[in-house]
Amino acid sequence: DIQMTQSPSSLSASVGDRVTITCRASQRISSYLNWFRQKPGKAPKLLIYAASNLQSGVPSRFSGGGSGTDFTLTISNLQPEDFAMYYCQQSYSSPYTFGQGTRLEI
Amino acid sequence: EVQLVESGGGLVKPGGSLRLACAASGFTFSRYTMNWVRQAPGKGLEWVSSISFSSTDIDYADSVKGRFTISRDDAKNSVYLQMSSLTVEDTALYYCARDSGSYTDFDFWGQGTLVTVSS
Repeated sequence: DIQMTQSPSSLSASVGDRVTITCRASQRISSYLNWFRQKPGKAPKLLIYAASNLQSGVPSRFSGGGSGTDFTLTISNLQPEDFAMYYCQQSYSSPYTFGQGTRLEI
Repeated sequence: EVQLVESGGGLVKPGGSLRLACAASGFTFSRYTMNWVRQAPGKGLEWVSSISFSSTDIDYADSVKGRFTISRDDAKNSVYLQMSSLTVEDTALYYCARDSGSYTDFDFWGQGTLVTVSS
């Protein structure tokens, strides 16, 4: 199975800040990497697919990058609704594993 | 508007069985691969199973293989997860999620149904 490791596990920031979350795969996965945001008590929401493609309806302050084994999610101009959990997921091969999550806190 | 609505969760004893259902609307259900993803209380996300359109490809996480069975009924726009030999480790919120079809990215999710396995 492909292991996904996110860093940091938690992150403190303020409204208006820019933050970056990283995700590392245990083997090369090309660009088969997706990012999700999960607010408390809610289902995950797809933000970025195929490493760098913004999902329809997602604000442009979210951006993704990377390929191979190392990926990033950058959020610019943090908004109050962005303080949540973030997960990366590899869709290169089954089982489609998720990272352990990054908690973004105020 | 795409909607996915899960049902069938509840409290079950270890060794018991449960059948989850996910009713889809707002898109041509028969054209999409569907998935189940679960989240244990306070934990991260775990992909459980997927079923392709026409049910030609079915896949399971090792943790549920041999115990869970995924199926779909395109006439009813629904996907199901039959769970048996349940253990306390299966306690989780079970989400139904649509695969967009491009990169196995899960573009729409239901709100989940809670399965609690406890004696």
